[in-house]
Amino acid sequence: DIQMTQSPSSLSASVGDRVTITCRASQTIYNYLNWYQQKPGKAPTLLIYSASTLQGGVPSRFSGSGSGTDFTLTISSLQPEDFATYYCQQSYITPPLTFGGGTKVEIK
Amino acid sequence: EVHLVESGGGLAQPGGSLTLSCAASGFTFSDYGMNWVRQAPGRGLEWVSFIPSGGRPIYYADSVKGRFTISRDNAKNSVYLQMNSLRTEDTAVYYCARDLLGRYNSGSFDNWGQGILVTVSS
Repeated sequence: DIQMTQSPSSLSASVGDRVTITCRASQTIYNYLNWYQQKPGKAPTLLIYSASTLQGGVPSRFSGSGSGTDFTLTISSLQPEDFATYYCQQSYITPPLTFGGGTKVEIK
Repeated sequence: EVHLVESGGGLAQPGGSLTLSCAASGFTFSDYGMNWVRQAPGRGLEWVSFIPSGGRPIYYADSVKGRFTISRDNAKNSVYLQMNSLRTEDTAVYYCARDLLGRYNSGSFDNWGQGILVTVSS
């Protein structure tokens, strides 16, 4: 199975900050990498697929980059509604599809 | 608008069974692969199972293989998860999730239900 490792597991940031979350795969997954946002008590929502393609309706302050084993989710200017937990997920090999452990973005 | 609504959750005893349903609307259900993803309390996301638009091949996580069965009824716009031999570690919120690319299994989930809690406890 492909293991997905996210860092950090949590971070504190202020509104307006630039935030970067990293995700590393245990083997190459090319660009088969997705990012999800989950707010407390809610279902996850798809932010980015294929490492860098923004899902429809997602604000442009979100961006994704990377290929192979190392990936990054960047929020260019953190907004109050962005405080949430973010998960990466590989879609290169199934089964199983695997998620990272999550990164909780909290208010500083 | 895409809408996915899970039902059938609740309390089950270890070794017991439950069947989850997910009713879909707002899109051509028969054109899309569907997944179940779960989240144990306070934990991360775990993919459980996938069924393509045509019904085969079906995939399962090792943790549920042989105990859970996914199925779909395109006439009823629904996907199901039959859960047998339940264990305490199956306690989680279960989400149904639509595949992003329809008939092609992209492994990405573009729409999710609100989730349904399954609690396995004696």
